[in-house]
Amino acid sequence: DQQVKQNSPSLSVQEGRISILNCDYTNSMFDYFLWYKKYPAEGPTFLISISSIKDKNEDGRFTVFLNKSAKHLSLHIVPSQPGDSAVYFCAASMRGGSARQLTFGSGTQLTVLP
Amino acid sequence: DVKVTQSSRYLVKRTGEKVFLECVQDMDHENMFWYRQDPGLGLRLIYFSYDVKMKEKGDIPEGYSVSREKKERFSLILESASTNQTSMYLCASSGGSNTEAFFGQGTRLTVV
Repeated sequence: DQQVKQNSPSLSVQEGRISILNCDYTNSMFDYFLWYKKYPAEGPTFLISISSIKDKNEDGRFTVFLNKSAKHLSLHIVPSQPGDSAVYFCAASMRGGSARQLTFGSGTQLTVLP
Repeated sequence: DVKVTQSSRYLVKRTGEKVFLECVQDMDHENMFWYRQDPGLGLRLIYFSYDVKMKEKGDIPEGYSVSREKKERFSLILESASTNQTSMYLCASSGGSNTEAFFGQGTRLTVV
């Protein structure tokens, strides 16, 4: 039972245009959401996060939007650059337990075409 | 900068071997995690540890064990490697109440 879903395995976008990556979750107890970027043969690197008390967080070219009622978040990259080509994972976390574990989606391969 | 270092980038082991994957972090983080990444499945949590000698099972602990004798080091053990454990293994750490986890570079394990 996947609690975090990324339904698009891949996305291609032209350089300079907007990339929109989507993520849905099922567990209403999640209160913190993150996006990670991963290049082949490297570990994931943290990109941006958002707390459930917000609906938007922006960092340079990257903006994350959270729609709690729809249990949906999205990552916008504007403008997209060829170096953004990577696999993007969304992740979610909830309070409680002995450590804040991250539950990941299956990832979306973004390809930015020059 | 946080550094999480995994001892090997690539490993090839035979079925039935005992395999040790080592991970070291230099940020005095309380929490350490082992994930595996498989195509179409994302990252799945195997085990995690929130303190020295403390460990908890993640979503897919079968066939694995872990050891945390020192705060900075977290080891993943495959007691008897099998071909379905061929995967990319990723170690991560996080500190205190922070949720952001920092990952190592990964170990690509092939079991033949």
